Amino acid sequence: GNSVTQMEGPVTLSEEAFLTINCTYTATGYPSLFWYVQYPGEGLQLLLKATKADDKGSNKGFEATYRKETTSFHLEKGSVQVSDSAVYFCALSDPTNAGKSTFGDGTTLTVKP
Amino acid sequence: KAGVTQTPRYLIKTRGQQVTLSCSPISGHRSVSWYQQTPGQGLQFLFEYFSETQRNKGNFPGRFSGRQFSNSRSEMNVSTLELGDSALYLCASSVGLSNEQFFGPGTRLTVL
Repeated sequence: GNSVTQMEGPVTLSEEAFLTINCTYTATGYPSLFWYVQYPGEGLQLLLKATKADDKGSNKGFEATYRKETTSFHLEKGSVQVSDSAVYFCALSDPTNAGKSTFGDGTTLTVKP
Repeated sequence: KAGVTQTPRYLIKTRGQQVTLSCSPISGHRSVSWYQQTPGQGLQFLFEYFSETQRNKGNFPGRFSGRQFSNSRSEMNVSTLELGDSALYLCASSVGLSNEQFFGPGTRLTVL
């Protein structure tokens, strides 16, 4: 079956530091890949997505590239802010199973001023 | 456009009771999915409905059930509640052809 493995947290960084959160996946076929962010007391918000190999998703300074050869979708940001503190989830969706996403365990990011 | 709404936001129940949670998707979205989020198990897929039909189901016992109405609103029901059912229940909607899901704020269920 499908699975997503995320870098274990928590991650603590100083403001303006570089962020990488690793994500690898196992899937049959050609899944779409996503990063979601969850702030305390809220649901998940889509941060970025990529639907095919070599696509780069980007939003709010965050980027991730769909690497089929390494089955990875690592999240990066060049300079984090305190407001980026949240839980980040990597997820995949199999196009033959629309409506069912498989999530990683989540990585808690804390950014200190 | 209004986002996905879930009611109630918080619920406290006792073991053995049953509960019904409601989800209103984004207007025009015909697919509604439900997930259970717990610290130990993370996000787990419960089921998905599209045009009033259950298309996908996760590995949860039969105590967990759902339905979708003609206006795409969805409800999920948990009968004979157990302590382990305490969780954040998240609803997500999508257009149906797209894999991109939009999540509601969740319903926090506490079982005492």
